[in-house]
Amino acid sequence: GEDVEQSLFLSVREGDSSVINCTYTDSSSTYLYWYKQEPGAGLQLLTYIFSNMDMKQDQRLTVLLNKKDKHLSLRIADTQTGDSAIYFCAERGAGGSYIPTFGRGTSLIVHP
Amino acid sequence: AAGVIQSPRHLIKEKRETATLKCYPIPRHDTVYWYQQGPGQDPQFLISFYEKMQSDKGSIPDRFSAQQFSDYHSELNMSSLELGDSALYFCASSQLAGSDYEQYFGPGTRLTVT
Repeated sequence: GEDVEQSLFLSVREGDSSVINCTYTDSSSTYLYWYKQEPGAGLQLLTYIFSNMDMKQDQRLTVLLNKKDKHLSLRIADTQTGDSAIYFCAERGAGGSYIPTFGRGTSLIVHP
Repeated sequence: AAGVIQSPRHLIKEKRETATLKCYPIPRHDTVYWYQQGPGQDPQFLISFYEKMQSDKGSIPDRFSAQQFSDYHSELNMSSLELGDSALYFCASSQLAGSDYEQYFGPGTRLTVT
């Protein structure tokens, strides 16, 4: 959506790190999410971060949040061909609605 | 672990026909959400139900309706189908009563309107 922006494509070589970036506009966002969507499949929740955190690490995934700049990033270490997918950034505000607002998705292509 | 089940996985309909999509949430989840994802688009929220009552409404056309049943499964009814309704329809579930706000998505139903 318009309130959450991501670059559309990212191409990396297998074994390198991937960094997918996202910016959002809602300063009241409380939760920020990263979802992965493989071809023809549903959305898989990869990780999320609370707005009072600035970093979260989960195995090969590192999420960085710069709340001042409203910038979220997902770093995938040692990227594998199985990581090729579309990655959606999403945010949820504090207004009591549990509906996240999604970005347009970044298509990550991992080549040997 | 059990996941969200959607049926059918693929559906082909003609213009002006009717379609019904079904969603079975994760056991003990009380909330169901419906999303529409067009080609190359982000998921657009349609409607949600909590404890069988509509809880939030998004960009759901008047031609569509949905409900959640006593066993918590949900159905999305789509009438007078148009070509532009061709999309992937996702259902997600969560357990708001248990403070598990995170949404777990099903595999989607791909609807093609010809």
